[in-house]
Amino acid sequence: DQQVKQNSPSLSVQEGRISILNCDYTNSMFDYFLWYKKYPAEGPTFLISISSIKDKNEDGRFTVFLNKSAKHLSLHIVPSQPGDSAVYFCAAPHGSGNTGKLIFGQGTTLQVKP
Amino acid sequence: KAGVTQTPRYLIKTRGQQVTLSCSPISGHRSVSWYQQTPGQGLQFLFEYFSETQRNKGNFPGRFSGRQFSNSRSEMNVSTLELGDSALYLCASSLPTPVNEQFFGPGTRLTVL
Repeated sequence: DQQVKQNSPSLSVQEGRISILNCDYTNSMFDYFLWYKKYPAEGPTFLISISSIKDKNEDGRFTVFLNKSAKHLSLHIVPSQPGDSAVYFCAAPHGSGNTGKLIFGQGTTLQVKP
Repeated sequence: KAGVTQTPRYLIKTRGQQVTLSCSPISGHRSVSWYQQTPGQGLQFLFEYFSETQRNKGNFPGRFSGRQFSNSRSEMNVSTLELGDSALYLCASSLPTPVNEQFFGPGTRLTVL
């Protein structure tokens, strides 16, 4: 049962344009979401998070939007830069309390073309 | 501050052997989680240790085990290796709170022949 889904395996955008990466979830108990970025031969790095009490969180060029009724979140990168080319994972903590168990989506490979 | 380190970075084993992977968390981090990444399954949670106790466990067979030492360093062990165990094994550490903002190491690439 894939509780966190990223249905687009890849996305290609032009430098300077907006990148929108999508993520859907099925477990209505999820109340916190994270986005990670992963370069080849490196571990994922934390990018941005959002609590379910918010519908938007912004950090520089990165903004995450949460639509609880649709069980959908998206990561917007504006403007996109070639260095943003990486695999992006959305994730949610599973279980109650302060859990170290993250459920990850399959990932979306973003390519930003110069 | 040094990041999460994992050793070895690469490993080649044959079916039936066992392997031990090591993870040193960021200083002050007490939670250590392990994940398996494969092309078909993505990142799958193996287990989490906190203060030397397994706090969470994923859906993996008993061949996969782990432990955590008093200095928060962690090891995972896979016994009776199978071809399907070939994967990137990632370790992540975090502060006691928020424990779900995890910092990942570079991973150990295990190849089972």
